[in-house]
Amino acid sequence: DIQMTQSPSSVSASVGDRVTITCRASQGISTWLAWYQQKPGKAPKLLIYAASDLQSGVPSRFSGSGSGTDFTLTISSLQPEDFATYFCQQANSAPFTFGPGTKVDIK
Amino acid sequence: QEQLQESGPGLVKPSQTLSLTCTVSGGSITGGSYYWGWTRQPAGKGMEWIGRIYISGTTNYNPSLQSRVTISVDTSKNEFSLNLTSVTAADSAVYYCGRYVAYYGIDLWGQGTTVIVSS
Repeated sequence: DIQMTQSPSSVSASVGDRVTITCRASQGISTWLAWYQQKPGKAPKLLIYAASDLQSGVPSRFSGSGSGTDFTLTISSLQPEDFATYFCQQANSAPFTFGPGTKVDIK
Repeated sequence: QEQLQESGPGLVKPSQTLSLTCTVSGGSITGGSYYWGWTRQPAGKGMEWIGRIYISGTTNYNPSLQSRVTISVDTSKNEFSLNLTSVTAADSAVYYCGRYVAYYGIDLWGQGTTVIVSS
């Protein structure tokens, strides 16, 4: 199985801050990586697919980059509605494993 | 717009079978090149991928659960199902159904349903 790790596990930030989250795969997955946002008690929401493509309806302040084993999710200017947990998922091969998540909370 | 809704018992006894159904509304389960599948999230923990099925019947399962899991699809009812046998407390989680786009991830999620395994 491909193992996914994320860093940091949590980050405290203020509205307007730039936030970067890193996801690493235990083996190369090309660009087959998705990023999700999850708020408490809610289902996840797809933000980014294929490492850097923005899902329809997702604000442009979200961006993704990377290929191979190292990926990043960037929120360019944090908004109040962005406080949530973010996690990655490799979509390269089954089982399609998830990262443990990064919680973004208010500083 | 297309929506997914999980249904099934919220409480299952140890050693019994957990059975959940996901109903697709606002669209056809056979429309588009999608996989349909399940993930779960134990309380306070990360997401675990369970498995998925294509309309043709082709399935992929998490090896850690493969001996206990079956995912099936009923196109006439526009729904797909999860069966997990011999459950233990470790199977207690919020279970989500989802629509998978190959190589892209899960673009549509159900709201999730909580299943507790307890006697």
